[in-house]
Amino acid sequence: AQSVAQPEDQVNVAEGNPLTVKCTYSVSGNPYLFWYVQYPNRGLQFLLKYITGDNLVKGSYGFEAEFNKSQTSFHLKKPSALVSDSALYFCAVRDPPGGYNKLIFGAGTRLAVHP
Amino acid sequence: DAGVIQSPRHEVTEMGQEVTLRCKPISGHNSLFWYRQTMMRGLELLIYFNNNVPIDDSGMPEDRFSAKMPNASFSTLKIQPSEPRDSAVYFCASTIDSGNTIYFGEGSWLTVV
Repeated sequence: AQSVAQPEDQVNVAEGNPLTVKCTYSVSGNPYLFWYVQYPNRGLQFLLKYITGDNLVKGSYGFEAEFNKSQTSFHLKKPSALVSDSALYFCAVRDPPGGYNKLIFGAGTRLAVHP
Repeated sequence: DAGVIQSPRHEVTEMGQEVTLRCKPISGHNSLFWYRQTMMRGLELLIYFNNNVPIDDSGMPEDRFSAKMPNASFSTLKIQPSEPRDSAVYFCASTIDSGNTIYFGEGSWLTVV
């Protein structure tokens, strides 16, 4: 079965500094990978996805993610963090890769950006 | 475009009562999902519909939970009878077969006392 792991419960970063939220995956076949963000008391918002092609994927709000097949990782990054980026971030994998659009989510990582 | 619309946004009910959560997917989407979010278990897929047909209901916790999709623009998730451990945020989401991005509603925040 497909799965993703987010090894950090929380990430703290100062405003203006680069941020990284980690995600590793375990899939059979080619992975379809996603990042979503959840602001307090809100639903999940799509940020970006990797299906095929360029390993560096750009998404909403200045976020990007790098697909690394050898390390089975799909880390979320942003060059300069904003306080407004503070939220809960979820990595997800499509299961099965080429079949129905069912998403399996990681446990989530809480990002706290301090002024 | 209107996104996925869920109602009610918040509900507080007493143990033993019936709870019905409603969802209107994005127009044109033919896949619909119900997820549950709790602190202990994170995001869990409860049930998945494709073209109004339940495809995977292996995540439905027990017989107290049921879901229907009578047409392409409406789905319900019912809990009867409700229990305090059902307290959670229930999300509805939708997508189309040819797409890869699943779009979520704002959630229904359920508290069973």
